[in-house]
Amino acid sequence: GPKVLQIPSHQIIDMGQMVTLNCDPVSNHLYFYWYKQILGQQMEFLVNFYNGKVMEKSKLFKDQFSVERPDGSYFTLKIQPTALEDSAVYFCASSLGGSTEVFFGKGTRLTVV
Amino acid sequence: QQQVRQSPQSLTVWEGETAILNCSYENSAFDYFPWYQQFPGEGPALLIAIRSVSDKKEDGGFTIFFNKREKNLSLHIKDSQPGDSATYFCAASGNNNNRIFFGDGTQLVVKP
Repeated sequence: GPKVLQIPSHQIIDMGQMVTLNCDPVSNHLYFYWYKQILGQQMEFLVNFYNGKVMEKSKLFKDQFSVERPDGSYFTLKIQPTALEDSAVYFCASSLGGSTEVFFGKGTRLTVV
Repeated sequence: QQQVRQSPQSLTVWEGETAILNCSYENSAFDYFPWYQQFPGEGPALLIAIRSVSDKKEDGGFTIFFNKREKNLSLHIKDSQPGDSATYFCAASGNNNNRIFFGDGTQLVVKP
């Protein structure tokens, strides 16, 4: 089926540094999402993105977070600066429309040390 | 406020039994309820979904029973197999809201 690719699968970064997580969504999808998961538990919504804009973001989407998808390339999540509590698995997802099937990538495990 | 709640947190059944996973939600505007299956080290994958106009949806050995009045639903996994051992997330969205709200998940173990 359709695949969402996430690069890299693992990233270790020093606290205070910048990190960019990359996502290649399903090719004809229009809506993009980032979720955060800690210890295989609840999937926490961070942000959704459509038509070049953030549509909604949660309280977890701190000021240090930003997203963009320049010219239809990767959909990225940037954290600058990183903090220890940002350590988690970040899942990118995409969908064709609202209330339609959302496809998830395999996640990027981010470890901030 | 948690929008989607799941119970139990973990469930162990024997191979061949029916596993029943429960879910309830807060927002009456939700109209789309997907269930996701997640294996360790993988992303969630859509298993089966139901819209609020239906009260039942079957796909293979998976069945969703939906009660709009009570704002709850359940996933029944018939003839459970060890390969069904995973975490199952109930989710909800609606009102053309692009955001999917997830429950905390039920960790299912199927013993051979």
